[in-house]
Amino acid sequence: GENVEQHPSTLSVQEGDSAVIKCTYSDSASNYFPWYKQELGKGPQLIIDIRSNVGEKKDQRIAVTLNKTAKHFSLHITETQPEDSAVYFCAASPNTGNQFYFGTGTSLTVIP
Amino acid sequence: DGGITQSPKYLFRKEGQNVTLSCEQNLNHDAMYWYRQDPGQGLRLIYYSQIVNDFQKGDIAEGYSVSREKKESFPLTVTSAQKNPTAFYLCASSAGAGDYEQYFGPGTRLTVT
Repeated sequence: GENVEQHPSTLSVQEGDSAVIKCTYSDSASNYFPWYKQELGKGPQLIIDIRSNVGEKKDQRIAVTLNKTAKHFSLHITETQPEDSAVYFCAASPNTGNQFYFGTGTSLTVIP
Repeated sequence: DGGITQSPKYLFRKEGQNVTLSCEQNLNHDAMYWYRQDPGQGLRLIYYSQIVNDFQKGDIAEGYSVSREKKESFPLTVTSAQKNPTAFYLCASSAGAGDYEQYFGPGTRLTVT
C-alpha cells in the first residue's frame, strides 16, 4: 500500500518568514494530494490540494508543489502569521483506492 | 449550516464496556470514514463506507464495528476487544471515494480507564 512520509515533525519560524513542509509518497498511482491544518482539539481542515496533472497551485500565502517523478510534494507558507500555528498533515490518495494515506504531521509554531 | 457533527466531544468509559461514537453529516455525501488519531502517528483509517448498507475495513479495524443504515449517519462502536481504545476519533465524509476532498468533524476524545 501507499506510504507517506512527512518532514519535519516540528518547525518554528519567526513571524513574516516562510515555512516549508515536505512529503514523499511511494505509490505512483496516487493522483490526489491534499494538505490539512489541524488546530488543537479540532478536526483537520483542508487548506489546499493538488492533482497529479498539475505541478504547482497557489492560494494567497499558501502554495503546493508536486514532483511526480521524484514522488514528493511540498507545502509553502509565506509571510507567516501567529494564526498559522497548528499541525499540518499531508495525504496521498491512489486513483485505484478508496482512502487517504496521511503523513505523521508537522507542528508549526510561528513566533511573534 | 452544513457540515459534520460528532458527539459527544469527550467520552469516558470503564475498561470492558462497549461505546458508540456518533457521526452525522448533512452534506449529502455518499462516502464516510472513521479515523483514529494518536500523538505522533497521524490519522489511521478504521472503517469506511462508500454507500448505504456497505462498509469496508481500513488499516486498523480490529476491535471496532460500524453500521451505515442511513446516508447521513455512520456510527462507530469501540468494543471491549480493542486493546488500546483511548484516542481521538475523527469522522469524515466526501462526495465520493478516492480523489474527492474529505471533510472532517470536530472529533471525539475517548478515554478508557
